[in-house]
Order: sequence, then C-alpha cells, then structure tokens
Amino acid sequence: AQSVTQPDIHITVSEGASLELRCNYSYGATPYLFWYVQSPGQGLQLLLKYFSGDTLVQGIKGFEAEFKRSQSSFNLRKPSVHWSDAAEYFCAVGGSSNTGKLIFGQGTTLQVKP
Amino acid sequence: DVKVTQSSRYLVKRTGEKVFLECVQDMDHENMFWYRQDPGLGLRLIYFSYDVKMKEKGDIPEGYSVSREKKERFSLILESASTNQTSMYLCASRPGGGGAGQPQHFGDGTRLSIL
Repeated sequence: AQSVTQPDIHITVSEGASLELRCNYSYGATPYLFWYVQSPGQGLQLLLKYFSGDTLVQGIKGFEAEFKRSQSSFNLRKPSVHWSDAAEYFCAVGGSSNTGKLIFGQGTTLQVKP
Repeated sequence: DVKVTQSSRYLVKRTGEKVFLECVQDMDHENMFWYRQDPGLGLRLIYFSYDVKMKEKGDIPEGYSVSREKKERFSLILESASTNQTSMYLCASRPGGGGAGQPQHFGDGTRLSIL
C-alpha cells in the first residue's frame, strides 16, 4: 500500500541552527515527491518537488531535499533556520497517474526558539 | 500566480444542516480536490474531480458529496452535518496536462465547526 510517514510530529530548533525533517514513503513505482509548508491559518505552499534527475533538489526559502531510493526517503533540510520558518511541514507522494492524486504524511510542526 | 479561493475562512453550522463549501480557481485547471485536515492525521482526500461534471471518491467520502458544474468551481456538500465533520477543509487545483509532476495549489482553507 502507498503511504508516507513523517516520524517526527514536533521538532524544536534554535534560530540559526540547521534543520532536517524526515520523510519515508512506500510506493510501488517511481514516486513523485513533494514538500509543502503551512503557516498558521493558511493553506499549503509548495516548497519543492522531485520526480527525476538530480536527487538533490532545491526549493524556495532556502530549503533543499534529497531523494534516496535505497532508503525510501525524501528528507527536507535547511542550513540555518529563521524564526519565520515556524510552521507545519507536509511530505507527499504521487504516482504516474495524471489525476495528480497525492498521499500526504501526518505533518511535522516546527517550532523555532529565539 | 495561481489563485485558489475558498468562500469562507470560518463557518459555524448546526447538526443536521446542509452545508456548502465553495472553491474557485482562476487558472483553468482540470483537476480539483477537497481534503480535510485534522491534527495528527495530515490531509485526507474526500473527493476529487478531473474535469467538469467528473468526480471520484477519495479516501473518506462518507457524508459528503461534490458538484462541479463549471471548470473553475468545485463545491463540497455536507448533506446532513454532524459534529464529527468539524474540521479544516482545504481545496486544491492543478493542471490536467503536463504529467504527474504538476503540483497542487491550495486555498487558505475553511475552518468548519458543527455545533
């Protein structure tokens, strides 16, 4: 069955520290992978996506993610976190179907300490 | 920029009422989606539509229906609202062409409370 797991429900980091949010997926075919961010009271905004090519993808707001097929992972990283990065982060996986259906992880809430 | 507009940010309704949540997108997208978001559960797909008058059930369609009479508008209907439908509802759209890598674009959500 297709699924996405974000093992960390809640993460707290200090401003300026590095960040890594974990995402593991289970998908039978070549996955299309996405990271979205949701600020309080807002909808989801796309940070980055991967579906082929270079396994390290760059996104907006200084985020990057690395696709590791052997580990079925797509972890999100940022070298130096800013207070404005406090939000909820969702990993999602889709397939080759043109309907664009996605399966979302449970989300990780990021808190940034001053 | 893609704009997905949900008609209400906050809505309070009573048990048993018929509730309509409206979503409009301005980018001529073929595919539209309705999700509900609950703490610890992420986003769960209620229904999606891949074109006008075309719809498919998602993972949790019970108690909901949808309508897509025009390409830009996708409505979610709670036939007889119940307290367990209190949630955040998110609408999304994406182009139908261009392959599976086309991302979904989201509205700001409607926080619905059923009393």
